[in-house]
Amino acid sequence: LAKTTQPISMDSYEGQEVNITCSHNNIATNDYITWYQQFPSQGPRFIIQGYKTKVTNEVASLFIPADRKSSTLSLPRVSLSDTAVYYCLVMDTGRRALTFGSGTRLQVQP
Amino acid sequence: SAVISQKPSRDICQRGTSLTIQCQVDSQVTMMFWYRQQPGQSLTLIATANQGSEATYESGFVIDKFPISRPNLTFSTLTVSNMSPEDSSIYLCSAVSVASTGELFFGEGSRLTVL
Repeated sequence: LAKTTQPISMDSYEGQEVNITCSHNNIATNDYITWYQQFPSQGPRFIIQGYKTKVTNEVASLFIPADRKSSTLSLPRVSLSDTAVYYCLVMDTGRRALTFGSGTRLQVQP
Repeated sequence: SAVISQKPSRDICQRGTSLTIQCQVDSQVTMMFWYRQQPGQSLTLIATANQGSEATYESGFVIDKFPISRPNLTFSTLTVSNMSPEDSSIYLCSAVSVASTGELFFGEGSRLTVL
């Protein structure tokens, strides 16, 4: 399974755009890149998933370069409620199980 | 989407006893997994719950300690056997819905404290 590396923590202020970059140098051809969000005392929640280029939904955007060895989660105009841990994962499409890395603890301040 | 319910949500247990955690999904799912998360830490995959057959365990986890059942497509149990304080953790059930593109849904977790 591809290992992921992301910053341990980030700080931001309300209204700013936050970009969290993850590296996954050993990603396989059929693997997808997935991001999850976790609040305290809750299970992780799916944010976005992509294979290459750019994916956007109502919550975030995901940028994946051509070599797919990294990805960037972009959260536009964060609010205090975006304070959470964000996990970058590479999904083995055959096995479906996800291996969680250390995650990035995002703290949004007023 | 899929809604996953876990019971109990939390429990306090004595050393040497066993506890079974139940996981119920409200829709058809293809795969179910059990994770463990210690306070302030990331999630660690324990095993894949296979319907009608033995679970597939990750390195460091064994069936005698964490027996898992999955009698049908939407229900699974995880038992933590002969508990010690080191087993104090949050145990999370997760599943992949048949209607999704691989998105993994999680329950709220079962917080276990062993005294």
